[in-house]
Amino acid sequence: EVQLVESGGGLVKPGGSLRLSCAASGITFSDVWMSWVRQAPGKGLEWVGRINTKSEGGTTDYAAPVKGRFTISRDESKDMVYLQMNSLKTEDTAVYYCTAMGSGYWGQGTLVTVSS
Amino acid sequence: DIQMTQSPSSLSASVGDRVTITCRASQSIGSFLNWYQQKPGNAPKLLIYAAYSLQSGVPSRFSGSGSGTDFTLTISSLQPEDFATYYCQQSYSTTTFGQGTRLEI
Repeated sequence: EVQLVESGGGLVKPGGSLRLSCAASGITFSDVWMSWVRQAPGKGLEWVGRINTKSEGGTTDYAAPVKGRFTISRDESKDMVYLQMNSLKTEDTAVYYCTAMGSGYWGQGTLVTVSS
Repeated sequence: DIQMTQSPSSLSASVGDRVTITCRASQSIGSFLNWYQQKPGNAPKLLIYAAYSLQSGVPSRFSGSGSGTDFTLTISSLQPEDFATYYCQQSYSTTTFGQGTRLEI
């Protein structure tokens, strides 16, 4: 059974940092592109960014609202993907989903609240 | 960036109805179009990929069509469990989602 399990969400003050983790199991992690998608309370889905496979260079792409503040990385030895979020803003408040989008697998999400 | 526009934003229907949701891309995306279903408190679920291919395990009452800039998701006979929010997503150039269509009883 494929599982993507996010962790690391919580309450952080504006300007602060947070690192989200996503543990993958049941898939050949090294073969899949991984993405982060977020959903603000009561709003739609917003793509945050993605990372391709290590063999393809581990290249990343980001959505404009988070570029320069968020960094995605992956650790093939642990089947983990990370989202480092810096300079957080109140508008970053959302449930953050880890997804192997091309394969249709999503985690359950982790809530990040940015508030003073 | 490619913009995705869904219509309608919300839709009221009854069990047994046939419903269609449309999605329009701001430029041609070929068949790089996916459809998701999301219920409150849950992660999105992939229904249709590559415009018309049914994801494994998804009931055959769901179907997708279109290419280029105009796409549709059709539910042939609504079931109670189908009342949810539906999103289209383009994967031609990075990724963007439509704003969602809320399907209500």
